[in-house]
Amino acid sequence: GNSVTQMEGPVTLSEEAFLTINCTYTATGYPSLFWYVQYPGEGLQLLLKATKADDKGSNKGFEATYRKETTSFHLEKGSVQVSDSAVYFCALKYGGATNKLIFGTGTLLAVQP
Amino acid sequence: GAGVSQSPRYKVTKRGQDVALRCDPISGHVSLYWYRQALGQGPEFLTYFNYEAQQDKSGLPNDRFSAERPEGSISTLTIQRTEQRDSAMYRCASSLETIPGSPLHFGNGTRLTVT
Repeated sequence: GNSVTQMEGPVTLSEEAFLTINCTYTATGYPSLFWYVQYPGEGLQLLLKATKADDKGSNKGFEATYRKETTSFHLEKGSVQVSDSAVYFCALKYGGATNKLIFGTGTLLAVQP
Repeated sequence: GAGVSQSPRYKVTKRGQDVALRCDPISGHVSLYWYRQALGQGPEFLTYFNYEAQQDKSGLPNDRFSAERPEGSISTLTIQRTEQRDSAMYRCASSLETIPGSPLHFGNGTRLTVT
């Protein structure tokens, strides 16, 4: 079946460090892929998305490229800030006219000054 | 309001009681989704509506769970005869259109604890 696997956290980095959070997926067909972020005390927010192979989603300095050959959608940022501390969720939508998403388990990022 | 509003924010109930969780979506949003998130896990789909019509309830765990959206705006998720395994964060989300890929806007959730 369809599933999403994320690297386990927590990920602890110093400010201005490079960030990678790995995400791989299993799906039939051609899913759309998403990264959602949850800041402390808030609901999930869409961070970025990619709808087809080789697409790159980007927002707020974060990027992720839809790699069909490796079934991956790794999240990267060149220089993290303390304000990026949050839980990051990778998700896929497996076609159809819905927003039924399958989420990964989430990765907690803690950025220290 | 500016965002998706859920109430109550926290709910503690005794096993066997019924609970009703409310979601007030962003004004004008057509689609409304319910997700459940266990501790340390990602959200899991429960059910969704377009306007007042329930389109898919395949994620509801059993017949103790039901949801309605009678006027195409506010939605209520009801859990009857609660059990301890129902304890989780219940998240509501809405999107502007029924077009696939319309971004979901999530509320802050209702933390349900069944004792």
